[in-house]
Amino acid sequence: GAGVSQSPRYKVAKRGQDVALRCDPISGHVSLFWYQQALGQGPEFLTYFQNEAQLDKSGLPSDRFFAERPEGSVSTLKIQRTQQEDSAVYLCASRDYNEQFFGPGTRLTVL
Amino acid sequence: AQSVSQHNHHVILSEAASLELGCNYSYGGTVNLFWYVQYPGQHLQLLLKYFSGDPLVKGIKGFEAEFIKSKFSFNLRKPSVQWSDTAEYFCAVNDDKIIFGKGTRLHILP
Repeated sequence: GAGVSQSPRYKVAKRGQDVALRCDPISGHVSLFWYQQALGQGPEFLTYFQNEAQLDKSGLPSDRFFAERPEGSVSTLKIQRTQQEDSAVYLCASRDYNEQFFGPGTRLTVL
Repeated sequence: AQSVSQHNHHVILSEAASLELGCNYSYGGTVNLFWYVQYPGQHLQLLLKYFSGDPLVKGIKGFEAEFIKSKFSFNLRKPSVQWSDTAEYFCAVNDDKIIFGKGTRLHILP
């Protein structure tokens, strides 16, 4: 595939449920980013990987949020014990030089 | 702290009208500036970018933006909008992570 892909595209979870969101970056892109976009807002940075190393996780809103990229390619964002305020679109991007390419996002709705 | 401010949250124009969307940023270092567009139901796409050099940057679909360092601004312009320009537009500044503005929702009336 030519672009960044994310799955699932839509996820509905009951409050308290754990969820896992997957990102497949563009092949060969070293850097990978996760962003959270709440309704009516711009995307906000969550965390950043260079290869398998998580270099910045300052944007993760709580310790219920966890991200990994064990082999330096696919990344998973996990949210434990989901809350209603976690409802948002979660965007993944991979970077080539100075340009980030975004995936379509996963829309998470927590009931 | 880095921040991006977009002046208008919602803009409504008729086709063929001229467009200018305001963006101001706060950042202390060397700045990379971007405008992204999100068409309805689609993912974020890069419209144009400024890294250095000519402060007037031309992007896709007839858009351009001017970097004015003294005003910390990077306004987006298009001389004549089309109905297909209906979308949400985000100004952004980049260090490693990207700091986005809150977005401007543009609605073009046919």
